[in-house]
Amino acid sequence: QSALTQPASVSGSPGQSITVSCTGTNSDVGGFNYVSWYQQHPGKAPKLLIYDVTNRPSGVSNRFSGSKSGTTASLTISGLQPEDEADYYCSSYTSSSTLVFGGGTKLTVL
Amino acid sequence: EIQLVESGGGLVQPGGSLRLSCGASGFTFSSYNMNWVRQAPGKGLEWVSYMSSSSYTRYYADSVKGRFTISRDNAKNSLYLEMNSLRVDDTAVYYCARDRGGGPRGFDSWGQGTLVTVFS
Repeated sequence: QSALTQPASVSGSPGQSITVSCTGTNSDVGGFNYVSWYQQHPGKAPKLLIYDVTNRPSGVSNRFSGSKSGTTASLTISGLQPEDEADYYCSSYTSSSTLVFGGGTKLTVL
Repeated sequence: EIQLVESGGGLVQPGGSLRLSCGASGFTFSSYNMNWVRQAPGKGLEWVSYMSSSSYTRYYADSVKGRFTISRDNAKNSLYLEMNSLRVDDTAVYYCARDRGGGPRGFDSWGQGTLVTVFS
């Protein structure tokens, strides 16, 4: 199972919005509504931001939103804040009953 | 408060074995499917294995199939990962993670991780 494709890096200024893409296949992203997004700060465990494509767990800011079109899922962060600087990972359930992560995207807040 | 605490990591030579443990508290462990996820130094996340709440179903990544075995003891609120025939590329921080759905679908709680280093 190949990793989902994410841009290596994205950047934005405080207050701006950015979008991180996550491209898979019909055997993962395109075939199921089980895409999740995680935020990971250096030296810390990942934190769930979005599950089942669009849902936010309790306590996660509504500045984070998810969507999907075909085989590409997206995470949008609005109103960028300095503390949003982190690595972001997508994941998807697959047709083999496994899970695949994206390669990760480093967000820099300028 | 939900807590997942991994232990058992350490240094091991190629071909060796290790057993990781994950102790859970703050939730009804026996009701949740669980996973292991790893992260090599400076690299991204890699899903390793999944076990259903009843222990009936297990799935593995191709990279560890046949070498790693996931298990759990619901009476002890614990998840395990038996790792055999370890290779240098198994070096990583290993996290246990609680699944929020009926399969490896998404992980809503994570431990702090335990480092496994396979060195020659």
